[in-house]
Amino acid sequence: QPVLTQSPSASASLGASVNLTCTLSGGHVSYVIAWHQRQSEKGLRYLMKFNSDGSHARGDGIADRFSGSISGAERYLTISSLQSEDEAVYYCQTWGIGMGVFGGGTKLTVL
Amino acid sequence: QVQLQESGPGLVKPAQTLSLTCTVSGGSVSDGDYYWSWIRQPPGKDLEWIGYIYYSGNAYYNPSLKSRLTISVDTSSNQFSLNLNSVTDADSAVYYCARGDDYGIIDHWGQGTLVTVSS
Repeated sequence: QPVLTQSPSASASLGASVNLTCTLSGGHVSYVIAWHQRQSEKGLRYLMKFNSDGSHARGDGIADRFSGSISGAERYLTISSLQSEDEAVYYCQTWGIGMGVFGGGTKLTVL
Repeated sequence: QVQLQESGPGLVKPAQTLSLTCTVSGGSVSDGDYYWSWIRQPPGKDLEWIGYIYYSGNAYYNPSLKSRLTISVDTSSNQFSLNLNSVTDADSAVYYCARGDDYGIIDHWGQGTLVTVSS
């Protein structure tokens, strides 16, 4: 079963950029992952799907301020031109043995 | 655009059955390219995969919940449902329904519904 590891918290200033990291466990570095956002008092929103070759596809209506990159087992979500509404918890997700797997989430604070 | 909406009681008594329905619009639960899932998040805790179902009715459950869980699909109503019996306060959570693709990736979420188990 793959394990997704995320830092519990991150912070960046309004208008700046931030990279959030999701690390795939060994033996699972080729897995497809997704990024999801949960804003305070709101539900979850699918942001993008990330393939092992680095290509990615955003969900409906997701701004191009959200992008991704890859380095080995690391999957990065980059948010540029940070806005106050980007303050949220970000989860990565993949597929394991018979069911989905989530990372623990990174709480992003916009300063 | 595909939309999912959970419905069901927000309060369930201990030992009773938690029942939720997810209504899909803008898409079809009969679409064989997708699976239909339930996921929950207890307050202050991690997301937990509950289970999922295909249009055929084949369902797959989290082993930790399997003995208490039934997920079903109603293609005529474009809905799928969750029944979790013998609930305890540990089952209190926001419950989400969601659609997943053939890579197992969730690409659409319901808005979530808070279910509290309390007498």
